Amino acid sequence: ETGVTQSPTHLIKTRGQQVTLRCSSQSGHNTVSWYQQALGQGPQFIFQYYREEENGRGNFPPRFSGLQFPNYSSELNVNALELDDSALYLCASSPRAYDEQYFGPGTRLTVT
Amino acid sequence: QQQVKQSPQSLIVQKGGISIINCAYENTAFDYFPWYQQFPGKGPALLIAIRPDVSEKKEGRFTISFNKSAKQFSLHIMDSQPGDSATYFCAASGDTGRRALTFGSGTRLQVQP
Repeated sequence: ETGVTQSPTHLIKTRGQQVTLRCSSQSGHNTVSWYQQALGQGPQFIFQYYREEENGRGNFPPRFSGLQFPNYSSELNVNALELDDSALYLCASSPRAYDEQYFGPGTRLTVT
Repeated sequence: QQQVKQSPQSLIVQKGGISIINCAYENTAFDYFPWYQQFPGKGPALLIAIRPDVSEKKEGRFTISFNKSAKQFSLHIMDSQPGDSATYFCAASGDTGRRALTFGSGTRLQVQP
């Protein structure tokens, strides 16, 4: 069974640019959640996708958007990058929206 | 409020000792309380989780104690090993229809040989 995978591993962007992060969910999981983890802090919930529909959103501005594909993989898009967007972005998948979440290794985004 | 407060921020334990990490929450709608372990450069790994209908859950060397009236829960790591050295996060969720986890701030555990 393949776990949650994320790409790329690391990314450096300039303030104002746009970025797309990708996540492949664990086999058999139809729900993907995205979290932002700033250095030295706990992850913060961005949003969740269940069967290609957004199923809840945390306290993040609209420039954070997402997508889930028919194979349940997912993308996180961030527009107009700010310095404070520098963080580890984590993707977690679940068998169903209400089940335990299993995290991928994350994408480390640095905004300069 | 959605906060989950975690303590201590860091913890040093001798090999073979007991590590105890505490969390407190305010939102009485929370009904699911997992603990995650995170090593540097890795994503959080689910360790153990509890629901409020039980006061304790044990899996191997890891035990969650849950006090619903005090709105507190804790992780006990028995016979702590150097390989347990990592950052531990408590979390809570109660959102209907989804698991939007609210995480604590983390505890950095160091187990000395």
